[in-house]
Amino acid sequence: GNSVTQMEGPVTLSEEAFLTINCTYTATGYPSLFWYVQYPGEGLQLLLKATKADDKGSNKGFEATYRKETTSFHLEKGSVQVSDSAVYFCALITGNQFYFGTGTSLTVIP
Amino acid sequence: NAGVTQTPKFRVLKTGQSMTLLCAQDMNHEYMYWYRQDPGMGLRLIHYSVGEGTTAKGEVPDGYNVSRLKKQNFLLGLESAAPSQTSVYFCASNQLWQGRESEAFFGQGTRLTVV
Repeated sequence: GNSVTQMEGPVTLSEEAFLTINCTYTATGYPSLFWYVQYPGEGLQLLLKATKADDKGSNKGFEATYRKETTSFHLEKGSVQVSDSAVYFCALITGNQFYFGTGTSLTVIP
Repeated sequence: NAGVTQTPKFRVLKTGQSMTLLCAQDMNHEYMYWYRQDPGMGLRLIHYSVGEGTTAKGEVPDGYNVSRLKKQNFLLGLESAAPSQTSVYFCASNQLWQGRESEAFFGQGTRLTVV
């Protein structure tokens, strides 16, 4: 079946630290992969996406590369800010069904 | 740019009461979804629709009904609310673009408490 597994949180980092949130997936076919971010009291917003193997999605300093050989889509940022504090969801879509990870809460402290 | 709009944003129901959550999108998307979000469980799909007049069950459909009479609207109904339906409900929509499914666009959520 299709599924997404992402790193359990919560994650707490100091400002300017390096961030990695691991995401691996199981899917039939050729899914598109996404990272969404959710700020408190809000809906999910698309952070970045990749639609085929070796694509790199990037936005606001965040990056993730679609690795078909390792079925992974890890989220990275070189220097986090307090404003990056949020919950991050890895997701895939295949057969017009979305599959979400359980979310990773990130807190960045000054 | 409204995107996906959910109403209401908050609601408190008594056990056994009924209500309808409305989702409206102005992007002409074919596909629409209802999810519930509970702590530690991520998002779970309740029902979805692949076009006007169609609906299908998701992962957790029991206790909910849906209708898609107009392409831009997707209604989620609770006929007899139970405390287990206390949750945050999200609507989302997407479409096919160049033969691939696009990302989902989410509403702001409806926080429902059943007492």
